[in-house]
Parts: sequence; structure tokens; C-alpha cells
Amino acid sequence: AQSVTQLGSHVSVSEGALVLLRCNYSSSVPPYLFWYVQYPNQGLQLLLKYTSAATLVKGINGFEAEFKKSETSFHLTKPSAHMSDAAEYFCAVSNQAGTALIFGKGTTLSVSS
Amino acid sequence: DVKVTQSSRYLVKRTGEKVFLECVQDMDHENMFWYRQDPGLGLRLIYFSYDVKMKEKGDIPEGYSVSREKKERFSLILESASTNQTSMYLCASSPTGTRGEKLFFGSGTQLSVL
Repeated sequence: AQSVTQLGSHVSVSEGALVLLRCNYSSSVPPYLFWYVQYPNQGLQLLLKYTSAATLVKGINGFEAEFKKSETSFHLTKPSAHMSDAAEYFCAVSNQAGTALIFGKGTTLSVSS
Repeated sequence: DVKVTQSSRYLVKRTGEKVFLECVQDMDHENMFWYRQDPGLGLRLIYFSYDVKMKEKGDIPEGYSVSREKKERFSLILESASTNQTSMYLCASSPTGTRGEKLFFGSGTQLSVL
């Protein structure tokens, strides 16, 4: 069965520091992987996606993620955090039939000045 | 601009009531989904539908049912609400064959069952 595990329910960084949010996946088929962000009191929006093309995926707001099959990982990074990046981030994998997304438990990112 | 609209932002119901959560999308999408979001548990799929009058169970369908009579509308029904169904409910839609690349979410309905 498809699943994702997000390591760390809460990550805190200083403004300007590297952001690293970890996600490991389990999939019985080549996975489609996603990162979504939810800003306070807003809906979810897509940050980036991996759909079996380039392994390094660039998304919105300076975020990127690298698909590593050998490590079954899809970690999200940003070189320099901004205060506006404070939000909850969800990793997701497409289910086996490709009909729905299975989400992780989320990681809350806090950014301090 | 594409839209998934959930009829209520906040809802308070009593235990045992029948509750309807409504979702409408204006993008002519075939697929529609209901998730619930709980702190520390992320989003969990309740039901989804890939066509009018079609439905599939997600990971946590117990205590819920759904209705899709028209393509643009997908309703989540709590037959007899219980306190453990207090949650944020998110509706989403996507075109067919996209495997999640074009998934659009509504703003959510915060349901409190007292």
C-alpha cells in the first residue's frame, strides 16, 4: 500500500536559514509525489510535484525537492527561509490506482527573526 | 479562477443529528474527494467519486456516506453525528487521469459536534 512518512511534526528555523522538511514514501508502483502547503486559515495549495520526469523538482516560492529512489525519499528544501514560509507542509503520494492522494501527517514550519 | 466551494466555513451540530456537508466545483472535473484534517493526523481520505453516482471508499469511511447526483456537487453525509467526527473537512476536485497533479481544494468546513 502507498504511504508517506513525514519526519518531524514541527521544524523551527531562523530567517535566512536552510529549510529541510523530510518525507519518506512507500509505494508498490512508481510513485507520483507531491508537497502541499497550508498557510494559516487558508486552503491547501500545491508547492511542487514529481511525476517521473526530472528527479530534482522546483516549485513555487523558491522550494525544491529531490526524488531519491534508493532512499525512498522526497525531502523539501529551501536555501533561505522567510517569515512568510511559516505554514504547515504536507507530503503526499498518489494511491496505487492513481485515483486519489494519500497524505502524510504534516510538518509545521516556524520561522523566527 | 478555478473554484471549489464548501457551503459552510463553520458548523456546530449536536450528537445524533444528520449532517450534510456540501461541495461544489466549477471546473467540470470528474473526480471529487472528501478528506478530514485533524492535528497530528494530517489529511485522511473519507470517500471519493470519479463520476456521477459513482463512489469509492477511502481510508476512513465508517460513519460517513456520500452523494453525487450532479457532476459539480459532492455531498458528505454524517448519518448520526458523533463527537469523534469533530474535525476540519476538506473537499477537493481534479480532472480525470491526472493522478493528483491537478487537485484543487476548498477552504474547508470546521465541524464541531457537541
